[in-house]
Amino acid sequence: EDQVTQSPEALRLQEGESSSLNCSYTVSGLRGLFWYRQDPGKGPEFLFTLYSAGEEKEKERLKATLTKKESFLHITAPKPEDSATYLCAVQAREAGTASKLTFGTGTRLQVTL
Amino acid sequence: GAVVSQHPSRVICKSGTSVKIECRSLDFQATTMFWYRQFPKQSLMLMATSNEGSKATYEQGVEKDKFLINHASLTLSTLTVTSAHPEDSSFYICSAASGRYGYTFGSGTRLTVV
Repeated sequence: EDQVTQSPEALRLQEGESSSLNCSYTVSGLRGLFWYRQDPGKGPEFLFTLYSAGEEKEKERLKATLTKKESFLHITAPKPEDSATYLCAVQAREAGTASKLTFGTGTRLQVTL
Repeated sequence: GAVVSQHPSRVICKSGTSVKIECRSLDFQATTMFWYRQFPKQSLMLMATSNEGSKATYEQGVEKDKFLINHASLTLSTLTVTSAHPEDSSFYICSAASGRYGYTFGSGTRLTVV
């Protein structure tokens, strides 16, 4: 059974204080690892997809990296508008049409002035 | 970019009635649609997977007679919560999958059963 564990559960940062969120996973053959941002009362918003160990992707203050066992979401000099819940999900290799995503429980990030 | 429209965003219904939630991909065709349920401060729990024109595949523990899913076209899927009870109150989110855009999520529906 695919499993995704995210840590920490909650994180409070001051504006400008960089940090990293962790996503550990076990999956029977990784097809893709996804990062989403979710604001309260909204659906998840896509951030990144990573496909193979060693891959990195960046978008503004966010950078996602991937190893064979975990992924990190690095947040550099965060701003209050980065406050949200960050979700990690894995997609296993399965034949046929789009396979389901297995989500972690998320990290609730709060960035204060 | 890809947009998935989900309606209604909020609904309050009386116990025992049914409520339908629509999920529509606006500018692309979705090969597969997924329905999730999310409790406060918890992650997304997959309820079912549906492909256009075929019966939905439900996750273990999800009552298929209670949560009816219809995937009538490549752009529309509906979730009907039948004979709703207060314990069905939750945040329901759909997701549409396509080869071009990956997984795109709707904005969610807050269901409150009174």
